[in-house]
Amino acid sequence: DQQVKQNSPSLSVQEGRISILNCDYTNSMFDYFLWYKKYPAEGPTFLISISSIKDKNEDGRFTVFLNKSAKHLSLHIVPSQPGDSAVYFCAASSWDGQNFVFGPGTRLSVLP
Amino acid sequence: SQTIHQWPATLVQPVGSPLSLECTVEGTSNPNLYWYRQAAGRGLQLLFYSVGIGQISSEVPQNLSASRPQDRQFILSSKKLLLSDSGFYLCAWSLRTGGVGDTGELFFGEGSRLTVL
Repeated sequence: DQQVKQNSPSLSVQEGRISILNCDYTNSMFDYFLWYKKYPAEGPTFLISISSIKDKNEDGRFTVFLNKSAKHLSLHIVPSQPGDSAVYFCAASSWDGQNFVFGPGTRLSVLP
Repeated sequence: SQTIHQWPATLVQPVGSPLSLECTVEGTSNPNLYWYRQAAGRGLQLLFYSVGIGQISSEVPQNLSASRPQDRQFILSSKKLLLSDSGFYLCAWSLRTGGVGDTGELFFGEGSRLTVL
């Protein structure tokens, strides 16, 4: 049973437009939610996170929104750039880090 | 500053041979340690995590095992590799303090690509 779901395996967006990546989770005990970006044959790179006490966190072009009642979070990238093309993983964690779960990932392609 | 290293970076092994991937963390103490695998076309799969020396939790039944002989050392092993063990293995650590500025981040090593022939 997947605790973290990313229902879109792939997404294509035009350069300059907004990319919206979605993530749903089932375990209400999660306290942190994170987004990672991954290129082939490399380790994931941390992008942005949000704790369960917030509903929005912004860092440059990246914004994460958290809707706890719906158990849903999303990552917005504005404006999208070709270098953003990668696989994006949503992850959720308990406060002590002992339960750190990743979603299956969404492959984002930003078209020039 | 904290660093994490894992090796070897690339490994080609025949079916039935043993495996040992090693991971060490520097610059911190008592970290949570993890082994993940990314198989082709699939997401990151948690294999093992450890909250302390000798404490290993297994998430997926398989022919792999993990050990933590020292606080900052995490080893992934197998006695006999299967073809299905091929993949990209990632070691990671976290130290959750809960303090201001704590992003909850998981820090990854460089990864080890294993090909079983």
